[in-house]
Amino acid sequence: AQSVAQPEDQVNVAEGNPLTVKCTYSVSGNPYLFWYVQYPNRGLQFLLKYITGDNLVKGSYGFEAEFNKSQTSFHLKKPSALVSDSALYFCAVRANTGGFKTIFGAGTRLFVKA
Amino acid sequence: GAVVSQHPSWVICKSGTSVKIECRSLDFQATTMFWYRQFPKQSLMLMATSNEGSKATYEQGVEKDKFLINHASLTLSTLTVTSAHPEDSSFYICSASISGRSYEQYFGPGTRLTVT
Repeated sequence: AQSVAQPEDQVNVAEGNPLTVKCTYSVSGNPYLFWYVQYPNRGLQFLLKYITGDNLVKGSYGFEAEFNKSQTSFHLKKPSALVSDSALYFCAVRANTGGFKTIFGAGTRLFVKA
Repeated sequence: GAVVSQHPSWVICKSGTSVKIECRSLDFQATTMFWYRQFPKQSLMLMATSNEGSKATYEQGVEKDKFLINHASLTLSTLTVTSAHPEDSSFYICSASISGRSYEQYFGPGTRLTVT
């Protein structure tokens, strides 16, 4: 089955420290991978995507993610967290399930403490 | 660029009534639009995919007669929740993609539906 896993419901980090939000996937074929952020009562905002090319992808607001094919992972990272980064983060993969659709992970809530 | 709007952002309706939610692509033509439902503290659940000018494709378990989707133009898709019940209360989010780049989705801000 094609799926996306975000193993952590919540990640806590102090402001200024590096942050990592984990994501692993299981799809057939080459994956298209995405990270989105959602603030309360808002839609999703696109952060970054991996389709092909360099394994390290840089995105919005200083975020980056590394595609690791052998570990089937696409972890989101930021060198120095801000309080304003506190939000809900979704990893997603475009999968062919008899038609292409985007499958979202369960989401990881990030808390950045001042 | 690639802005998607939703209207209304918040709606309260009584049980048994119908409510329509609009999703518009403001600065691009959206050949495909997606409707998602999000329960509190949960992920997005794809309800249906709609292509302009054709019938929507519903995901398994989604009642097509209850959640009517119309994609009449390249900039507008509507979701009508018919005969709403309290269990239909949820956050509904649409997204849109451009022809040839269906993997890139641009999300609307969402609509909070409360059925009393």
